[in-house]
Amino acid sequence: DIPMTQSPSSVSAFVGDRVTITCRASQDISTWLAWFQQKPGKAPKLLIYEASILESGVPSRFSGSGSGTDFTLTISSLQPEDLATYYCQQGNSFPALTFGGGTRVEIK
Amino acid sequence: EVQVVESGGALVQPGGSLRLSCAASGFMFDTFAMSWVRQAPGRGLEWISTISGRSHSTYYTASVQGRFTVARDNSKNTLSLQMDRLTTDDTAVYYCARINMSALTFDQWGQGTLVTVSS
Repeated sequence: DIPMTQSPSSVSAFVGDRVTITCRASQDISTWLAWFQQKPGKAPKLLIYEASILESGVPSRFSGSGSGTDFTLTISSLQPEDLATYYCQQGNSFPALTFGGGTRVEIK
Repeated sequence: EVQVVESGGALVQPGGSLRLSCAASGFMFDTFAMSWVRQAPGRGLEWISTISGRSHSTYYTASVQGRFTVARDNSKNTLSLQMDRLTTDDTAVYYCARINMSALTFDQWGQGTLVTVSS
């Protein structure tokens, strides 16, 4: 397995702020990195795959970057509906697709 | 519309067994690997099992290997997870998820079904 480390574990920001979440892999995973959004009481939803490709229907304020071991999810202008926990997931060690510990995004 | 719908979650005693099901629709089921992912209360996501499209290959995380069995019936577009020798650590919401093999990620998820292991 490839452990994934996310930071911060939680972040609080104002509507309109730029929010950045980082994810670090314990070894090189190329760009086999996805980001999920999980709203309270709901199933996870795929936002970004292969580190930077936006899933169809996902707002353009979400973006991803990185390769190798260090990755970033950015919300360019935080909206109230972005209240959620965000998870990264690596695909390099298929079938063992491991997740980061999650980052809770709160609205001030 | 792509849909996956889990069922079968329940309260079960430690040491007991339970079978979860997942009904899929809206896509060519037998061309996709499928997985089970679980989430303990207040915790993160944990991949637990994957089965290939034609059932040739099955995979499990170490903590469930030998206790859980994943299977699929492509004639009925259904996925199942037989869970035996359950412990309190297996308490979680269990999600059925479709795997996108091009991106090596889960691109469709069900709503989840709650399994509670308690005496």
